[in-house]
Amino acid sequence: GENVEQHPSTLSVQEGDSAVIKCTYSDSASNYFPWYKQELGKRPQLIIDIRSNVGEKKDQRIAVTLNKTAKHFSLHITETQPEDSAVYFCAASMGNAGGTSYGKLTFGQGTILTVHP
Amino acid sequence: GAVVSQHPSRVICKSGTSVKIECRSLDFQATTMFWYRQFPKQSLMLMATSNEGSKATYEQGVEKDKFLINHASLTLSTLTVTSAHPEDSSFYICSATDLAKNIQYFGAGTRLSVL
Repeated sequence: GENVEQHPSTLSVQEGDSAVIKCTYSDSASNYFPWYKQELGKRPQLIIDIRSNVGEKKDQRIAVTLNKTAKHFSLHITETQPEDSAVYFCAASMGNAGGTSYGKLTFGQGTILTVHP
Repeated sequence: GAVVSQHPSRVICKSGTSVKIECRSLDFQATTMFWYRQFPKQSLMLMATSNEGSKATYEQGVEKDKFLINHASLTLSTLTVTSAHPEDSSFYICSATDLAKNIQYFGAGTRLSVL
């Protein structure tokens, strides 16, 4: 099955700096890569996702890049703020037949991001 | 607002009892829902895929007779932890995919504590 590795496990930055979290996946059939932010005791919240037909996607301070050949994808957060502090998870999924729906997610181990004021 | 509702949010029970957790998609139909377990400071581990109108698909190592899943309608899946033991204490989270948006939404989770 799919295996997703995520690094680093912890990341500490100063407010205003950038943060980068990297993930690799093992199954070349995976075609959907979401990133979730989870605050303590709460549900994971989707912050950005990318599908295998694009190499980069950006949403304000957050961007994700995908390298299908190398089977890795990264989350970039610019101008970090203390409220960005949380656990971030990457995930990979194979779409169902026809690619119109997305199936079970395999999660990375998570990165604890701490943004110091 | 939340598009996937999960109840209860917290359960404390005695060892040997059974606990039922409900997961509902609020404004979309979900033929497939997923159940995850998350231990403290760890990642989400998929337990099973809940399929509407058919048997759930369990991940390797997950006991199907202990974690009973029922997906009786397009908006509701239930997970029953049977004969719970302290080692079953964990954070259980469900999710459902909104096919129209191709986004998987998570419930708020259920923290189970077995005494």
